[in-house]
Amino acid sequence: GNSVTQMEGPVTLSEEAFLTINCTYTATGYPSLFWYVQYPGEGLQLLLKATKADDKGSNKGFEATYRKETTSFHLEKGSVQVSDSAVYFCALSAGTASKLTFGTGTRLQVTL
Amino acid sequence: DAGITQSPRHKVTETGTPVTLRCHQTENHRYMYWYRQDPGHGLRLIHYSYGVKDTDKGEVSDGYSVSRSKTEDFLLTLESATSSQTSVYFCAISESTSGNTDTQYFGPGTRLTVL
Repeated sequence: GNSVTQMEGPVTLSEEAFLTINCTYTATGYPSLFWYVQYPGEGLQLLLKATKADDKGSNKGFEATYRKETTSFHLEKGSVQVSDSAVYFCALSAGTASKLTFGTGTRLQVTL
Repeated sequence: DAGITQSPRHKVTETGTPVTLRCHQTENHRYMYWYRQDPGHGLRLIHYSYGVKDTDKGEVSDGYSVSRSKTEDFLLTLESATSSQTSVYFCAISESTSGNTDTQYFGPGTRLTVL
């Protein structure tokens, strides 16, 4: 079956530090890959996505590249801000109906 | 922001009682989903709908039923709530016109506590 593995948190960084959150996946066929972010007390919102191999998704300074050869979709940001503190979920969609399979989430805490 | 509301936002109930959660959308999207969020598990799909009266099971459907009588409403029912169903429940919607590439948009969630 489909699965997503992402690095354990929490991740604590100082403001302006470089961020990497690792995500690898197992899927049949050709999945689309997503990063969602959840701010405290809120629902999930799409951060970025990539729908085919070698695509790069980007948004708000965050980037992730769909690497089929390593089955990975790592999230990066060059300089984090306190406002980036949230839980980040990697997810994939494969097959019909755009059903999502999520990783367990990684909590990011950014301090001044 | 996608027009998705969930009600109630918080609910405390007792074991063995029936509970219904409602998801309402104003986007006229075809697909609707119910997920539960638990620590250490991320989000897991309970049921989804691909049209009025068309529903299917997800990964963790035992103990849950759903109904969709109108495009805009998707109901999740716990027939007899158990403590293991204490969770945060999220509704999501998707146009799903392009196979597996569509974005899902999430509601604000319902926190359910079963005592």
